[in-house]
Amino acid sequence: AQKVTQAQTEISVVEKEDVTLDCVYETRDTTYYLFWYKQPPSGELVFLIRRNSFDEQNEISGRYSWNFQKSTSSFNFTITASQVVDSAVYFCALSENNFNKFYFGSGTKLNVKP
Amino acid sequence: DAGVIQSPRHEVTEMGQEVTLRCKPISGHNSLFWYRQTMMRGLELLIYFNNNVPIDDSGMPEDRFSAKMPNASFSTLKIQPSEPRDSAVYFCASSDAVLGAPSYNEQFFGPGTRLTVL
Repeated sequence: AQKVTQAQTEISVVEKEDVTLDCVYETRDTTYYLFWYKQPPSGELVFLIRRNSFDEQNEISGRYSWNFQKSTSSFNFTITASQVVDSAVYFCALSENNFNKFYFGSGTKLNVKP
Repeated sequence: DAGVIQSPRHEVTEMGQEVTLRCKPISGHNSLFWYRQTMMRGLELLIYFNNNVPIDDSGMPEDRFSAKMPNASFSTLKIQPSEPRDSAVYFCASSDAVLGAPSYNEQFFGPGTRLTVL
């Protein structure tokens, strides 16, 4: 079974729209970590944020915000007022309490049109 | 400080040839990971090392693939013989995770090597 599910394969929005990327994870560990990475067209994966399982406080960084809900095993990512430069593939990842091995979701491709 | 360095950035080869991909992790990082990315299979972890020792190679597709880490600043991924289905982008990543400890640290990725096997 998939440990990380990103059900949205591709999303297209018009610039300035808000968009939410979904991430659902599965683990039996009580201590785990969740990550989001961005892969722009240039190809390199860029770390965006991490969250540990004991911290359900939502986080906001500029136009980006993350909603972590243990009750639904979700770690969703919202971009407010999207811009063309946000166009990329976004990956959610899970790291369980055994080593720094990441389980990546299949990614969501975000297209922001001008 | 330089990030993870991979070489070559692009490699085109013919079926049956040996291919060697190289990676220099971030200085001070003790963990190194090799991933493969394809449209069909997404990001797959091939192998990872901690303190130069292979910890888990269960993701290596078959015996044609091998990886080494002779020292803390260098790793190679070799495919011999290469096949067209090996065409993919291969990423190397490093982190300063500690074996057996909670895995909080992010992985830093290199730019990738785009491999095309004709």
